[in-house]
Amino acid sequence: GDSVTQMEGPVTLSEEAFLTINCTYTATGYPSLFWYVQYPGEGLQLLLKATKADDKGSNKGFEATYRKETTSFHLEKGSVQVSDSAVYFCALRRNSGYALNFGKGTSLLVTP
Amino acid sequence: NAGVTQTPKFQVLKTGQSMTLQCAQDMNHNSMYWYRQDPGMGLRLIYYSASEGTTDKGEVPNGYNVSRLNKREFSLRLESAAPSQTSVYFCASSDQGGNNEQFFGPGTRLTVL
Repeated sequence: GDSVTQMEGPVTLSEEAFLTINCTYTATGYPSLFWYVQYPGEGLQLLLKATKADDKGSNKGFEATYRKETTSFHLEKGSVQVSDSAVYFCALRRNSGYALNFGKGTSLLVTP
Repeated sequence: NAGVTQTPKFQVLKTGQSMTLQCAQDMNHNSMYWYRQDPGMGLRLIYYSASEGTTDKGEVPNGYNVSRLNKREFSLRLESAAPSQTSVYFCASSDQGGNNEQFFGPGTRLTVL
């Protein structure tokens, strides 16, 4: 079945450091891929998405590229801020389906 | 717009008690979802409703029932709560279609003793 694997956390970085959170997936066909962010005590918010191979999603300085050859959708940011501290979830959805299939989440803590 | 709202925010139950979690959205979305979030497990789909009048099981439906009351509201019922149902429950909604964003509510933290 479909699945998403994320790097285990927690990830701790200093402010202005470079961030990479790895995400790989297993799915039949050509799923859509998403990154969601969850700030403490809140629900999930869509951060970015990509719907086909080689698409790059971007938002708030974060980027991720849909790589079909490596079945990956790694999240990157060039310079993190303390306000980026949150849990990040990678997810996929089959184009014929409705629901999201989530990874386990990666906790990020950015220190001043 | 309030987006997706959930009630209650917190609840403590004893084993065997029943309760209903309420969810409403004001975005005129066709599809609604219930997920549970457990430490180290990510979010797992319990039930979803692709459109008003339809509901389908997700990955972990056992012990739950749902009702799509109308286009706005989608409730989740625990008939006989068990400690294994201690979790944070999220409701979400989206426009119908494969690539449309899901909008999440703030969650309900449920503890079953």
